Amino acid sequence: RKEVEQDPGPFNVPEGATVAFNCTYSNSASQSFFWYRQDCRKEPKLLMSVYSSGNEDGRFTAQLNRASQYISLLIRDSKLSDSATYLCVVSKGSQGNLIFGKGTKLSVKP
Amino acid sequence: NAGVMQNPRHLVRRRGQEARLRCSPMKGHSHVYWYRQLPEEGLKFMVYLQKENIIDESGMPKERFSAEFPKEGPSILRIQQVVRGDSAAYFCASSPLFIQGGRNTEAFFGQGTRLTVV
Repeated sequence: RKEVEQDPGPFNVPEGATVAFNCTYSNSASQSFFWYRQDCRKEPKLLMSVYSSGNEDGRFTAQLNRASQYISLLIRDSKLSDSATYLCVVSKGSQGNLIFGKGTKLSVKP
Repeated sequence: NAGVMQNPRHLVRRRGQEARLRCSPMKGHSHVYWYRQLPEEGLKFMVYLQKENIIDESGMPKERFSAEFPKEGPSILRIQQVVRGDSAAYFCASSPLFIQGGRNTEAFFGQGTRLTVV
């Protein structure tokens, strides 16, 4: 089993759609969880951290289920500018290095 | 406060040459991570360093690759005797402390060095 697995994608959705990304991780000792966004040929940038209680930032909602080792990201009212690759990121146990999922590409069409 | 600085942005090397990639972390950050991204692939962890220490190099190929983060100066990722398969984007990230439980500390990425081996 891969350390971090994501939906293979790509997701092609119209503007205004709601889109959900799913992610599972294998290391039960992982302590920190994030969603990063990567635009084509650019560096990854933090979209949001993911907390056990779930957290929301505008149109974005992240959830974590430690028992199932599952992380999700929901984007509501998607915009053209949301088009990017979304990366699920998990810390390697209690250490600092981050393990990245392969990413799911999202294309929002007019 | 400048972000994570990587140089060069683009590097072309012939097979068999050496490639040196530099990364200056954000001011105040003492933890550096190197990742490799092959075309159409995700980011693969290579190595995690603190000043003068390698913390985790489990993602580094056993041969030809080395990394350092000296007391003074940038972190260096060194690839000896490059081969075509080394062509990739190499990203460096830095953070101020351990990304640890209960405190999600963001890692900031540089713009990457795109290595092309011809």
